[in-house]
Amino acid sequence: DGGITQSPKYLFRKEGQNVTLSCEQNLNHDAMYWYRQDPGQGLRLIYYSQIVNDFQKGDIAEGYSVSREKKESFPLTVTSAQKNPTAFYLCASSIPRGRTEAFFGQGTRLTVV
Amino acid sequence: AQSVAQPEDQVNVAEGNPLTVKCTYSVSGNPYLFWYVQYPNRGLQFLLKYITGDNLVKGSYGFEAEFNKSQTSFHLKKPSALVSDSALYFCAVRVENTGTASKLTFGTGTRLQVTL
Repeated sequence: DGGITQSPKYLFRKEGQNVTLSCEQNLNHDAMYWYRQDPGQGLRLIYYSQIVNDFQKGDIAEGYSVSREKKESFPLTVTSAQKNPTAFYLCASSIPRGRTEAFFGQGTRLTVV
Repeated sequence: AQSVAQPEDQVNVAEGNPLTVKCTYSVSGNPYLFWYVQYPNRGLQFLLKYITGDNLVKGSYGFEAEFNKSQTSFHLKKPSALVSDSALYFCAVRVENTGTASKLTFGTGTRLQVTL
């Protein structure tokens, strides 16, 4: 089945640690996105990538980093510089400039302990 | 900058009654508009979209939405609500860019509660 797979579903981080969230897609989409969801704030864009080896900061990139070494993969690292990382993280992919909808993974819930 | 507003945090409706979830947008250029639904602890599922053409678009699960350019709105509607429609609904907008991947901007979401 085609789709987007995020792992893990739940992730716990100690303060001061970096953690990496995985996102893999087999939809052959060039564009991939990372969003953060907090209650009452909707989805806010962290980073997005149009093509392999290229990515741009979104609205809330501070404290996060990404890489795009393969078309299928767009991992997100939450660094220790992110002061409030507890949130629900969603990965999405789409045709970059098309009129089609974006497809979303099932999300990763990150909690700082 | 593009933005989306969903003025209602929650909409309550009785099963069998019509429902409306409101969305307004602000963009420079022609908008592409989308509605998504989210169930607890899950990703977003696509419901419907407006790209061009007929202002009334039909989507999944009996939902439809009406694009109104003069009011910059894209309200989600359903003639007869079901309890199973209870979920979080997001409106989103994208503008076609020629140079870079176009950003998909979301509203803050509206929680729909359908009761018996």
